[in-house]
Amino acid sequence: NAGVTQTPKFQVLKTGQSMTLQCAQDMNHNSMYWYRQDPGMGLRLIYYSASEGTTDKGEVPNGYNVSRLNKREFSLRLESAAPSQTSVYFCASSERPLETQYFGPGTRLLVL
Amino acid sequence: KQEVTQIPAALSVPEGENLVLNCSFTDSAIYNLQWFRQDPGKGLTSLLLIQSSQREQTSGRLNASLDKSSGRSTLYIAASQPGDSATYLCAVLPMTTDSWGKFQFGAGTQVVVTP
Repeated sequence: NAGVTQTPKFQVLKTGQSMTLQCAQDMNHNSMYWYRQDPGMGLRLIYYSASEGTTDKGEVPNGYNVSRLNKREFSLRLESAAPSQTSVYFCASSERPLETQYFGPGTRLLVL
Repeated sequence: KQEVTQIPAALSVPEGENLVLNCSFTDSAIYNLQWFRQDPGKGLTSLLLIQSSQREQTSGRLNASLDKSSGRSTLYIAASQPGDSATYLCAVLPMTTDSWGKFQFGAGTQVVVTP
């Protein structure tokens, strides 16, 4: 039982490049989330999926897109990376939207 | 908009002392509040979740209280150990129609427990 897994662990991009961050959970949770964490700012929600087939914008969605591929997988795509997207990205899941969230280990992204 | 604040940003205590961590929020209309622990370079681990109808939750040496009317939660860690060194974050789930599942996080309190 791996919980929430994220790939890659670390990535360096040049401005304008694209990439997809992958997230998978094996807890049969309905809801999944993408956050970014910047120094001194706590975590901010990028996108959220209440259940398979639905997605919703969070606090900072600009520059990102998401896909809820199936119940297990929720990916985050940066179409044209910018230095302002340098951050640590966390994926999380919960059984239902009001319940405890479980986090992955994070992806550290550096955009040059 | 809900604002979540954690003061102080950093705290250092000698081993054996009790830890008291504070979290304040601006809007008392919340579904619940969750405390997390984050070790350096790692993800977040859930410690306690308090529903809006509850006043406190306990797990081992941890006790979290919730006072919605004053917009405050406190996390107590009894008899601190060096292994308790980490950053502690609180998050609230606002009770508004468009906040379903959207936790608002504080910036965290970094704790160092010295042997």
